[in-house]
Amino acid sequence: GQQVMQIPQYQHVQEGEDFTTYCNSSTTLSNIQWYKQRPGGHPVFLIQLVKSGEVKKQKRLTFQFGEAKKNSSLHITATQTTDVGTYFCAWWNFNKFYFGSGTKLNVKP
Amino acid sequence: DAEITQSPRHKITETGRQVTLACHQTWNHNNMFWYRQDLGHGLRLIHYSYGVQDTNKGEVSDGYSVSRSNTEDLPLTLESAASSQTSVYFCASSDGRVGEQYFGPGTRLTVT
Repeated sequence: GQQVMQIPQYQHVQEGEDFTTYCNSSTTLSNIQWYKQRPGGHPVFLIQLVKSGEVKKQKRLTFQFGEAKKNSSLHITATQTTDVGTYFCAWWNFNKFYFGSGTKLNVKP
Repeated sequence: DAEITQSPRHKITETGRQVTLACHQTWNHNNMFWYRQDLGHGLRLIHYSYGVQDTNKGEVSDGYSVSRSNTEDLPLTLESAASSQTSVYFCASSDGRVGEQYFGPGTRLTVT
C-alpha cells in the first residue's frame, strides 16, 4: 500500500536559521496539503499543491511539489519564534484523507 | 463570522459508557470530518460525511459512529468507551471534497 514518510520528526533551530520538512511518498499523489498546528492548538491550513513541479510562496514559506508528485517540501527562511509548532503534510488516497506524522519545530530566540 | 465549534472541550468518562462529542459548523460546508490525534500517530481519520444522510468510514472507525441529519452538525458517538479511545478529537469541515479543511478547537477525552 501507499506509504508516506515525513521527516524529520523534530527540528530545533536558532532564530534566523532556515528550516525544511519533507514528505516522501512511495506512490504518486493527486495533491498535497500542508497544515500548521501550534502547541495546544488545532491544525490550520497553509497551502494545497496540485501540479507537478509546483512551487508556491507565502512570505518566508516556500512549498514545493516534486516533478513525479511523490514528494513535497516546506521551507521556512529565517525562522522566527512565531514559527514554532508542528507542520503536517496531508493527502487524499482512495477517498480517505491522511496526515503525515508531522515535524515538530522548535525555535530558540 | 463563520466558525466550527466542538463541545465539550474536555470530558472524562468511564470505560463502557456511551459518549457523544458535538461538532457544529456555520460555514454551510457539505463536507465534515472527525479525527483523533495521539502522540506518535499524528491525525487519523475516523469518519467523514459529504452531506446530509451521508457517512463514511475512515482509517480508524471501529468503536465510533456518526450521523448527519443536517448540514451544520456531525456528532461523534463512542458506543462503549475504551481506554484506547483516550485522545484529542478534532472535527473539521471543507467546502470542496478535497479542499482545505477548517478545524475546530478539539475535545480532549479521557476514558478511565
